[in-house]
Amino acid sequence: DAGVTQSPTHLIKTRGQQVTLRCSPKSGHDTVSWYQQALGQGPQFIFQYYEEEERQRGNFPDRFSGHQFPNYSSELNVNALLLGDSALYLCASSLIQGTGYTFGSGTRLTVV
Amino acid sequence: GESVGLHLPTLSVQEGDNSIINCAYSNSASDYFIWYKQESGKGPQFIIDIRSNMDKRQGQRVTVLLNKTVKHLSLQIAATQPGDSAVYFCAETSGAGGTSYGKLTFGQGTILTVHP
Repeated sequence: DAGVTQSPTHLIKTRGQQVTLRCSPKSGHDTVSWYQQALGQGPQFIFQYYEEEERQRGNFPDRFSGHQFPNYSSELNVNALLLGDSALYLCASSLIQGTGYTFGSGTRLTVV
Repeated sequence: GESVGLHLPTLSVQEGDNSIINCAYSNSASDYFIWYKQESGKGPQFIIDIRSNMDKRQGQRVTVLLNKTVKHLSLQIAATQPGDSAVYFCAETSGAGGTSYGKLTFGQGTILTVHP
């Protein structure tokens, strides 16, 4: 039973560019949440998707957007990248009626 | 704003000792708490959880204690092993829309180092 899969594992982008990160949830899960984890910090909630709609959003600017597909997979898009966007981006999947969250190993984004 | 914080950023113990990691939370509406372990290069891994209607829950070698009066959470690891070395996070959440849970709010983390 596959867990949460994220791609790519690492990438390097230049300031001002745009990036798309991808997440496949754990089999059977219908909800996907995205987190940003800066070095030495705890993960910070970006947003959560369910039924292809953004259900909750954290304190992140509109440069951060997402999408959920009918197969429950999700994408995180970040526009106009800043140096401060460099972080580990984590995807967590869950069931909308449940409390168990499963995290992927993350995508390490470096903005130069 | 809402936050979950840790009292100690680092903890160093000898193999076989018991470890206690503490966490303070500020959102009195939180009703579900989780401890995660995060190893280098990996995502957070579930250790144990507890709901607000409980004050203690035990797992295999781990125990979580919840004190709602002072909004304090702790993780106890018995007979700590070198493989327990990692960063430990507490997280809290509350039901969003009644029956389901939304965002997790994480603390800063405690680095646990276990010496052989």
